Parts: sequence; C-alpha cells; structure tokens
Amino acid sequence: DIQMTQSPSSLSASVGDRVTITCRASQGISNYLAWYQQKPGKVPKLLIYAASTLQSGVPSRFSGSGSGTDFTLTISSLQPEDFATYYCQKYDSAPRTFGQGTKVEIK
Amino acid sequence: EVQLLESGGGLVQPGGSLRLSCSASGFTFSTYFMHWVRQAPGKGLEYVSAITSNGGYTSYADSVKGRFTISRDNSKNTLYLQMSSLRAEDTAVYYCVKDMEVGGKHLLSDCWGQGTLVTVSS
Repeated sequence: DIQMTQSPSSLSASVGDRVTITCRASQGISNYLAWYQQKPGKVPKLLIYAASTLQSGVPSRFSGSGSGTDFTLTISSLQPEDFATYYCQKYDSAPRTFGQGTKVEIK
Repeated sequence: EVQLLESGGGLVQPGGSLRLSCSASGFTFSTYFMHWVRQAPGKGLEYVSAITSNGGYTSYADSVKGRFTISRDNSKNTLYLQMSSLRAEDTAVYYCVKDMEVGGKHLLSDCWGQGTLVTVSS
C-alpha cells in the first residue's frame, strides 16, 4: 500500500507568517490528494482537493500544489483561527490513507 | 440539513465484537459512497473502510481487514461497521463520513458524524 508522509510533524509560527507543510506519497498518486484541517474537539474540515482546488468557503490564504509524489499546503499569512492540525490524504484508490498530521502551534 | 448520527460504541473486552451504526438524513443516502474513519485518543486520523452506494464493493485498511465488515441498508438510510476480534489498538472514536465524488474519485466530504467512542479493554 502507498504510504503518506507529512513533514514537519509540528511547527511553531506567528500570526502573519507564511507556513508550508509537505506531504509525500511513497508512489505516484497523480493529483488525487486532499488536505484537511482539524481543530481540537472538532471533526476535520476539507480544505483542498485535487491537490490544488480550494473547497468552497475556504479562505484564499490556503493553497495547495503538487502532483505525483510530492505535495505542499501553504498558508500565505497565518491567522489565529488557523492553529490546528493538518492532514493530507490520498484518494486515488483504496486504501485512502492519511498522513500522520502536522500540528501548527502558536509561537 | 445533512446529518449523520453514529451509535453503538462502548466498552468491549479484547477479542470481543461490536456493531456500529450510522443513521443518515437530509440527503439521498442510497446514491452515496460512504466511509468510516477513526481517531485514537490524542492521535491522528486513520481511514478504516468504504462502501459503494449499492453495497456491491467494499474496501478496508490493512489494520482491520478480515476483522471488520462494512455494510449498509439503504431502505433504512443506515451504514454499519461490524467489528470483531477487537484489540486494544482499535480503541478510537469512529466517524462515519459522507462521500464527495470528484472526477470519478471518492474522497471525504465536510459531512461527518459526531463520532462514537469504542474502548477495547479488559
């Protein structure tokens, strides 16, 4: 099965910072990659699908890129409400594996 | 309003069985792929299983294959997860999730249930 590896596992950043999270697939998955945001005590929220398509209602400071095996999620200017854990997930085929998550904390 | 309501969680001994249910409303359940995802306490998300709209095709994570069975009853708008040979590492909150189909591929939508906690312990 294809493994999904995110880096870093956690990061500290300040409001206004540009933040980049990386997700790597152990084999190519074309652009079938989604990003989710999860805040404590809440269910995950879909941010991006097809590697770079913003889900409706998601702020434009979030963007995604990549194809094949290497993908990135970028937050252009971190806002207080963006402190959360972010997960990538492949959905090219079963099993739809998640990355291990990246926790974005306040510096 | 789209709603998913899980039930059936609880405390079970290692080696035991449990059946989770997810009651769906607010959308045409019978036309949607559905998914189960779990999250152990303080841990990340783990994808568990999926089922096609008519129940004809199912898939599982390797960690649960052969022990868990996903099924659905479209006449009752209900999704199930039958879990057997449960282990301590199956302890988690289990979520049912409505599908989102994009370009013929299936991913998780923004519609999640509230989750039901399964605790496997003696």
